[in-house]
Amino acid sequence: AQTVTQSQPEMSVQEAETVTLSCTYDTSESDYYLFWYKQPPSRQMILVIRQEAYKQQNATENRFSVNFQKAAKSFSLKISDSQLGDAAMYFCAYRREYGNKLVFGAGTILRVKS
Amino acid sequence: SQTIHQWPATLVQPVGSPLSLECTVEGTSNPNLYWYRQAAGRGLQLLFYSVGIGQISSEVPQNLSASRPQDRQFILSSKKLLLSDSGFYLCAWVRFRAETEAFFGQGTRLTVV
Repeated sequence: AQTVTQSQPEMSVQEAETVTLSCTYDTSESDYYLFWYKQPPSRQMILVIRQEAYKQQNATENRFSVNFQKAAKSFSLKISDSQLGDAAMYFCAYRREYGNKLVFGAGTILRVKS
Repeated sequence: SQTIHQWPATLVQPVGSPLSLECTVEGTSNPNLYWYRQAAGRGLQLLFYSVGIGQISSEVPQNLSASRPQDRQFILSSKKLLLSDSGFYLCAWVRFRAETEAFFGQGTRLTVV
């Protein structure tokens, strides 16, 4: 069974600094998709970034980028120039290609200090 | 454009009462549908997912059940609620056979008293 592990229950970062959130996953599949979602206090789930496993290039979205290490089954999220609005719970998620299950990690609470 | 509706937003129910949470998706056909539960300050636990009408996969043995009576309707039910059923319930959908992300409803905060 696929599992997603986020080993950091909580992280803190100073405003304008950079922070990296960790995620590892376990799968026997070769083709799959990885996601980072943000859940602010409103609890609405917001997609931050997506990575296709067949792509070697790491995905980037403005201040958000990932470090995708397929062999190590690692998918970390880097947030640059952190802003107060980045404070939220962040979830890493996995889905098999054309698969049906979308599996989430336990989440990391990110606090941004001004 | 596609939208997802989930209701009610908040629900307080006594122990032993039934439950019905509804989720509908508009603007797409044959979506994959999901029900998740999130305990306070915790991660998302996948409860059920469905790839088509009448097709339900259960992830965790529990006091809940799900049904998909129509292509874009997904219902979470219980005959008798337990205190442990309290939590935040999220419905989500993924476009059929597409490598896109999941889209989430606004969630239902269920408190069993």
